[in-house]
Amino acid sequence: EAAVTQSPRNKVAVTGGKVTLSCNQTNNHNNMYWYRQDTGHGLRLIHYSYGAGSTEKGDIPDGYKASRPSQENFSLILELATPSQTSVYFCASGDRGGRDTQYFGPGTRLLVL
Amino acid sequence: GEQVEQRPPHLSVREGDSAIIICTYTDSATAYFSWYKQEAGAGLQLLMSVLSNVDRKEEQGLTVLLNKKDKRLSLNLTAAHPGDSAVYFCAVSPTQVVGQLTFGRGTRLQVYA
Repeated sequence: EAAVTQSPRNKVAVTGGKVTLSCNQTNNHNNMYWYRQDTGHGLRLIHYSYGAGSTEKGDIPDGYKASRPSQENFSLILELATPSQTSVYFCASGDRGGRDTQYFGPGTRLLVL
Repeated sequence: GEQVEQRPPHLSVREGDSAIIICTYTDSATAYFSWYKQEAGAGLQLLMSVLSNVDRKEEQGLTVLLNKKDKRLSLNLTAAHPGDSAVYFCAVSPTQVVGQLTFGRGTRLQVYA
């Protein structure tokens, strides 16, 4: 069965600190995604990747960087965390282009104080 | 870019009744349509997906209708039960864009006995 895992599951950070959220998938999917979920906004795409070494900006990339060092791993990096980045972050993988069913991880709840 | 409106934001139905969730979209090039379910504290799980050449699809008590003329997608849970209580999201994408789903804002469904 498709498996996407995220770590940590919960994180408390201080304003100005660096936060790294990690995602691992065992689906051998080329595409991976990072979303944030906020009440009233649904899911919004932050960054995505077509494969190892590639990262692309999504709809709301400001304040975030991404890294895809391998097929399996995709990280989201907040270099200088701000309270507005308090949210639930979801990673997903998929592999069918425009017919892309995405498989989601369980989410990371981030609180920036 | 694509705009997706989902309604209602909240829906409460009695067990055995039907529940209908509707999404409207703006981009006529949209060609892939899907519905996801999110249970409390978990990631999103795909319920059903259709391509633009499909008007109706039924699976396991769920019916998806696609009206391309009105750019409207609906999900009908024909006989809801308490286990269906969750947040439901529609997601759409054009085929020429790899995996960039645009999500609706979600519908919180509560099914009471």
